[in-house]
Amino acid sequence: KNEVEQSPQNLTAQEGEFITINCSYSVGISALHWLQQHPGGGIVSLFMLSSGKKKHGRLIATINIQEKHSSLHITASHPRDSAVYICAVVTGANSKLTFGKGITLSVRP
Amino acid sequence: NAGVMQNPRHLVRRRGQEARLRCSPMKGHSHVYWYRQLPEEGLKFMVYLQKENIIDESGMPKERFSAEFPKEGPSILRIQQVVRGDSAAYFCASSQGQGTTFFGQGTRLTVV
Repeated sequence: KNEVEQSPQNLTAQEGEFITINCSYSVGISALHWLQQHPGGGIVSLFMLSSGKKKHGRLIATINIQEKHSSLHITASHPRDSAVYICAVVTGANSKLTFGKGITLSVRP
Repeated sequence: NAGVMQNPRHLVRRRGQEARLRCSPMKGHSHVYWYRQLPEEGLKFMVYLQKENIIDESGMPKERFSAEFPKEGPSILRIQQVVRGDSAAYFCASSQGQGTTFFGQGTRLTVV
């Protein structure tokens, strides 16, 4: 079993829909990242959080440390949100990242 | 601040050649991480370096791979005698330690 699990595996949505991507982890962490990767592109860190909730524009990230679960929400989705969304946890004294496999999101116009 | 800079963006090598991947961390960052993304797989940790020191290389293959982060200049990931299985995207990330990690655009290595 992977230390970081994401669901659903793939997701297709219609423009304007509210989207939720989930991440569960089985190890002790100091923080969690949500990352975005466009096809053939680099990786952008959307959020780093260790408790509670953060919001940036149409994106909201929450984390429940007790339940070892985090969610990324996208409100009013747009085709430009189409990308791979990766959950990564920060573990150990060296702060290295352990990644989920990523969710491929496709938003149709 | 130009962010984390990796070069080249794309690298093609024949089997048996050497590949050198470069990473300049964000200004002020002394922690550098290398990650590998194999086709159809998730990202995996390779090595963690601070200036002139390898802190954690638990994710590095035991042979042919090496990394350095000299006092001056970029961090280098070196792959000797490349094989087709080395074809992947290699990402560098930097941080100040406990803060947010910033990623480079990656180097896509193709071994032919």
